[in-house]
Amino acid sequence: EPEVTQTPSHQVTQMGQEVILRCVPISNHLYFYWYRQILGQKVEFLVSFYNNEISEKSEIFDDQFSVERPDGSNFTLKIRSTKLEDSAMYFCAGRTSGGANEQFFGPGTRLTVL
Amino acid sequence: LAKTTQPISMDSYEGQEVNITCSHNNIATNDYITWYQQFPSQGPRFIIQGYKTKVTNEVASLFIPADRKSSTLSLPRVSLSDTAVYYCLVGNFDTGRRALTFGSGTRLQVQP
Repeated sequence: EPEVTQTPSHQVTQMGQEVILRCVPISNHLYFYWYRQILGQKVEFLVSFYNNEISEKSEIFDDQFSVERPDGSNFTLKIRSTKLEDSAMYFCAGRTSGGANEQFFGPGTRLTVL
Repeated sequence: LAKTTQPISMDSYEGQEVNITCSHNNIATNDYITWYQQFPSQGPRFIIQGYKTKVTNEVASLFIPADRKSSTLSLPRVSLSDTAVYYCLVGNFDTGRRALTFGSGTRLQVQP
């Protein structure tokens, strides 16, 4: 069964550094998402992406964040200047055109900002 | 998006049936009810979705009464591996806001 993959599984960085989180969605998916989950808290939506552009973003997704799907397979989330409060699990998800309520999540990247 | 209310936590024993109820009084006509499961340090996983009456798959059953203001996720004969957080989501994420909105969920602890 195809799966969403994410790399790295764990990223440790210093405050102020740039990080890029990578995701390889399932090949027939058309809609892509990033969510994050701070330890012990809810899963929060960051951004959705369709047809090579952002469809929607939350208030969390400020100018420090950007997303890209450079080569038709990888889907990346970049944080330009990390803050302590960016420490969280970051999940990539995707879905087909018809399965709006059924999103397939990756295993996540644990980001630790020191 | 319809607001949902579900118990914060539940405890069960292996082999028992577990029913988790979710209230969604302001559900809209075109909203679906969707349940996700999340294990520690993993991404959420879709379990089941329904619109009305009953839906069953290999993992769970979903019971939705006629007024659709609540729903019950039923897990038959749980095992230790069913220990997870279960989220009830209500909306039509295809026509409305496209992102999933997760609440706090119900933390199910299954004991031997």
